[in-house]
Amino acid sequence: GAVVSQHPSRVICKSGTSVKIECRSLDFQATTMFWYRQFPKQSLMLMATSNEGSKATYEQGVEKDKFLINHASLTLSTLTVTSAHPEDSSFYICSALWVAEYNEQFFGPGTRLTVL
Amino acid sequence: RKEVEQDPGPFNVPEGATVAFNCTYSNSASQSFFWYRQDCRKEPKLLMSVYSSGNEDGRFTAQLNRASQYISLLIRDSKLSDSATYLCVVNKGTYKYIFGTGTRLKVLA
Repeated sequence: GAVVSQHPSRVICKSGTSVKIECRSLDFQATTMFWYRQFPKQSLMLMATSNEGSKATYEQGVEKDKFLINHASLTLSTLTVTSAHPEDSSFYICSALWVAEYNEQFFGPGTRLTVL
Repeated sequence: RKEVEQDPGPFNVPEGATVAFNCTYSNSASQSFFWYRQDCRKEPKLLMSVYSSGNEDGRFTAQLNRASQYISLLIRDSKLSDSATYLCVVNKGTYKYIFGTGTRLKVLA
């Protein structure tokens, strides 16, 4: 299957700082990437759909000014959590869409964010 | 009613057992279907895309029933390593994917 990397895998930061997470499709080009958040023992929650060269589409209830998404190339999307607070602590996972017969999503390994 | 529904389980089965999960979806126009597995504190990994005619990959068989709007996953000869949460994912179209909440499977020695 296709490979998606995500960096960093883990970050601990102080309240009020900004954190940038990178998502890369390593062996295919991805016009569309997705950003999810998952709290412990809960299901994945889609935050936004990132499209190369255009603005991201945010899900209802997700603040676009707090979660900045940039999809500047066909292999890279970034999520910046601005002015992070403890309630933003979560597992953030990206996926890249492999557009083919079945349009499958391949997930990065996730970033565990802890805000102190 | 949720757009994609799964029995959360847990399903506790002995090694070697056969276990089946169902997933129902509400949008009859849904276009493609997938099963992912997710281990604790890890990302989902694609297990199978579900083809119209059904498909098999080793011990895993996926079926699609469009008339009744459900997909199924059958695991034969369960291994301890099959213990995970199995996520049903439905593509409604235009890259809109809906995830089920997952079914937990625990294979017991």
